[in-house]
Amino acid sequence: EIVMTQSPATLSVSPGERATLSCRASQSIISDLAWYQQKPGQALRLLIYGASTRATGIPARFSGSGSGTEFTLTISSLQSEDFAVYYCQQYSNWPLTFGGGTKVEIK
Amino acid sequence: QVQLVQSGAEVKKPGSSVKVSCKASGGTFSNYAISWVRQAPGQGLEWMGRIIPIVGRANYAQKVPGRVTFTADKSTSTAYMELSSLRSEDTAVYYCAKDLSEGGTWEDIFDVWGQGTMVTVSS
Repeated sequence: EIVMTQSPATLSVSPGERATLSCRASQSIISDLAWYQQKPGQALRLLIYGASTRATGIPARFSGSGSGTEFTLTISSLQSEDFAVYYCQQYSNWPLTFGGGTKVEIK
Repeated sequence: QVQLVQSGAEVKKPGSSVKVSCKASGGTFSNYAISWVRQAPGQGLEWMGRIIPIVGRANYAQKVPGRVTFTADKSTSTAYMELSSLRSEDTAVYYCAKDLSEGGTWEDIFDVWGQGTMVTVSS
């Protein structure tokens, strides 16, 4: 099983600032990585897949990068609606696995 | 706009069973692959497996107990997850999620999620 490790667990950021979230895979997953946003009481939302492709309707302030084992999600200028928990997921191998999440909170 | 609407919260006794439904609307259910993901309180996400409704084929993650069964009813565009012999550690929110791809080559990327169903196992 591929283990996905996200860091930091919590990120405190002021509105308008940049947020950088990391995700590491225990073995190479090439670019088979997705990012999701989770807010309380709401359905999860797909942000990024293929490590860097924005899903339909996702604002350009969200960007993904990386390949192999190291990946990054960047939110260029945090808006109030971006404070949430973010998960990465690898789909290179079964079982599909998720990282433990990064909570982005208001500083 | 595809939507997945799940059944409501359940409280179950240890040893009993629960069946969670996931009804799709706004698209062609037969073209989908539906995965099930669970999240225990305060924990991360665990993929349980998926079902391809058009052929009724289900695949289960190895870590998922043999007590789980996925089914689908094409006539009502509804997928089901049934978990039997419930234990306290099965207490979690259960999500259904649709594959980004439709109609054959599944991506294992989830573009539409249900709102989640809280299953509480308590005596």
